[in-house]
Amino acid sequence: NAGVTQTPKFQVLKTGQSMTLQCAQDMNHEYMSWYRQDPGMGLRLIHYSVGAGITDQGEVPNGYNVSRSTTEDFPLRLLSAAPSQTSVYFCASSQPGGEGDGYTFGSGTRLTVV
Amino acid sequence: DQQVKQNSPSLSVQEGRISILNCDYTNSMFDYFLWYKKYPAEGPTFLISISSIKDKNEDGRFTVFLNKSAKHLSLHIVPSQPGDSAVYFCAAASRRGSQGNLIFGKGTKLSVKP
Repeated sequence: NAGVTQTPKFQVLKTGQSMTLQCAQDMNHEYMSWYRQDPGMGLRLIHYSVGAGITDQGEVPNGYNVSRSTTEDFPLRLLSAAPSQTSVYFCASSQPGGEGDGYTFGSGTRLTVV
Repeated sequence: DQQVKQNSPSLSVQEGRISILNCDYTNSMFDYFLWYKKYPAEGPTFLISISSIKDKNEDGRFTVFLNKSAKHLSLHIVPSQPGDSAVYFCAAASRRGSQGNLIFGKGTKLSVKP
């Protein structure tokens, strides 16, 4: 049972380059989200999706695009990388329901923009 | 403005004693609260949750208390073990509002000393 899979685990980009962080889940979860974690800042929501074809912005969406064409996949696109986007990125999925249905997180992608 | 606050960046506890981690929130629309545990180089893992219709939820050594009037929740770990050493994040969501996203605090680093 793979859960939430993020690729790549590590990436170094030059300023201005674009790339896509991949996220896939095999639990048939409706909800998927992208967070970034920075020192002293906790986890901040970038974008989220409540189902295929539906996405919305979180707290820090600027510089990022998402799409949700299938239930399983939720890629995060960096359009023109900037040093301020150096961070650890986590993808998460969940299924709405009763108490205890916590989110499942991937193991993260550590991105450095130079 | 932070909607979920964890005012203690770190906490040190002796093995076998109780660990108490605190969390405050400002948004009265939040009705579901979760605690996550995070080890270095791993994604956060779900620990325990509580909905606003309850004031306590217990799971083994972990108990979460919710005080709605004070907009405060706490996580108690009894007895604390060295393996509990990690960063603990408090998170909140509004099930009646925007689904599919959690708002996190900045985290508290717990160190349990043998």
